[in-house]
Amino acid sequence: KNQVEQSPQSLIILEGKNCTLQCNYTVSPFSNLRWYKQDTGRGPVSLTIMTFSENTKSNGRYTATLDADTKQSSLHITASQLSDSASYICVVSGGSYIPTFGRGTSLIVHP
Amino acid sequence: DAGITQSPRHKVTETGTPVTLRCHQTENHRYMYWYRQDPGHGLRLIHYSYGVKDTDKGEVSDGYSVSRSKTEDFLLTLESATSSQTSVYFCAISDGDRDGYTFGSGTRLTVV
Repeated sequence: KNQVEQSPQSLIILEGKNCTLQCNYTVSPFSNLRWYKQDTGRGPVSLTIMTFSENTKSNGRYTATLDADTKQSSLHITASQLSDSASYICVVSGGSYIPTFGRGTSLIVHP
Repeated sequence: DAGITQSPRHKVTETGTPVTLRCHQTENHRYMYWYRQDPGHGLRLIHYSYGVKDTDKGEVSDGYSVSRSKTEDFLLTLESATSSQTSVYFCAISDGDRDGYTFGSGTRLTVV
């Protein structure tokens, strides 16, 4: 069964600090991996997408990495801001039109 | 989000009543999805559509039905609402796996 596991489940950091979120997957075959940001009361919004041949992708202060051999991805947030407080969801696609979602990491950034 | 709207945004209904949620897109995307999101479970697929009148079940389809008579509209019906269907419902659209998924703003449904 295809699965996506995210860690930690929740994280609290101080404004200005960096943090890294983890995603491990067992989806096969593998097509691409996306990170989404979901603000409270809103729908998820795509941050990055990576295919098998890509191992790093940046979007402003967000940098995603992918190791397709170990089936792991990380999302690194640099110089966190209060607006980064949200849930971050890892989504893995296997070439079909039904992706597999992780349960998300809840990030709280305190001033 | 641009190109996809859900209605209503909030709804309170009584146990046993039928409820219909609507998802409308202006992107002409082929695929449409209904998810529910509950604490501790993340997003779970209820039903999806891969074309007009082409739909299939997701992992939590019991008690739900869908219809897609036009490309732009995907309706989710709770045939007889139960308290366990209290949740936030999200619609998503996609034009293919490589294009990603665009989500609506969600419908918060409370069944009392």
